[in-house]
Amino acid sequence: AQSVTQLDSHVSVSEGTPVLLRCNYSSSYSPSLFWYVQHPNKGLQLLLKYTSAATLVKGINGFEAEFKKSETSFHLTKPSAHMSDAAEYFCVVSRPEEGADGLTFGKGTHLIIQP
Amino acid sequence: NAGVTQTPKFQVLKTGQSMTLQCAQDMNHEYMSWYRQDPGMGLRLIHYSVGAGITDQGEVPNGYNVSRSTTEDFPLRLLSAAPSQTSVYFCASRIERGASYNEQFFGPGTRLTVL
Repeated sequence: AQSVTQLDSHVSVSEGTPVLLRCNYSSSYSPSLFWYVQHPNKGLQLLLKYTSAATLVKGINGFEAEFKKSETSFHLTKPSAHMSDAAEYFCVVSRPEEGADGLTFGKGTHLIIQP
Repeated sequence: NAGVTQTPKFQVLKTGQSMTLQCAQDMNHEYMSWYRQDPGMGLRLIHYSVGAGITDQGEVPNGYNVSRSTTEDFPLRLLSAAPSQTSVYFCASRIERGASYNEQFFGPGTRLTVL
């Protein structure tokens, strides 16, 4: 079975400072991993995904994530936070053979940007 | 393309009432699914469909019915609403079930309150 743990339910940073959102996963095999973002009262939008190619993945809006198999982590980072980054972020692990739709969602991290 | 659309955006029901949440996609995706989102719980899969005429249960199916008569539409029916079904509901689609490493597209959500 697979699982996803987002280590922080809330993260608060000042505008212009780095962002780090942490995600650990467990999976019997090499999974695909995603980060989705949800702005207030909106649906989820794909930020980036890892599918066993390069371990450093670049996404939209300056976000990137690094897949570290030895640490079973897929942390999301951004060098400089912007007010528009305030949103809920979900780490998702994918294995087609696991579960009904192969996706396991983390519980989410709420990112707060202080002016 | 409109992507994934959902109606209504908001709905208030009384306990025991029934209603249908509508979902449509214009991307010719085989796979469609319904999730509910509750605070601190992430997204949980209710039902999914791998193609017209084929549906199956997800993690939290009780109290909900689905059907898939066309590729485009995947309505979710609440048979007898209960306060525990107060939630935000998201419809999603992707190319096919086995391709869970592909991006999943989400609708904007329906916010349902059951009194």
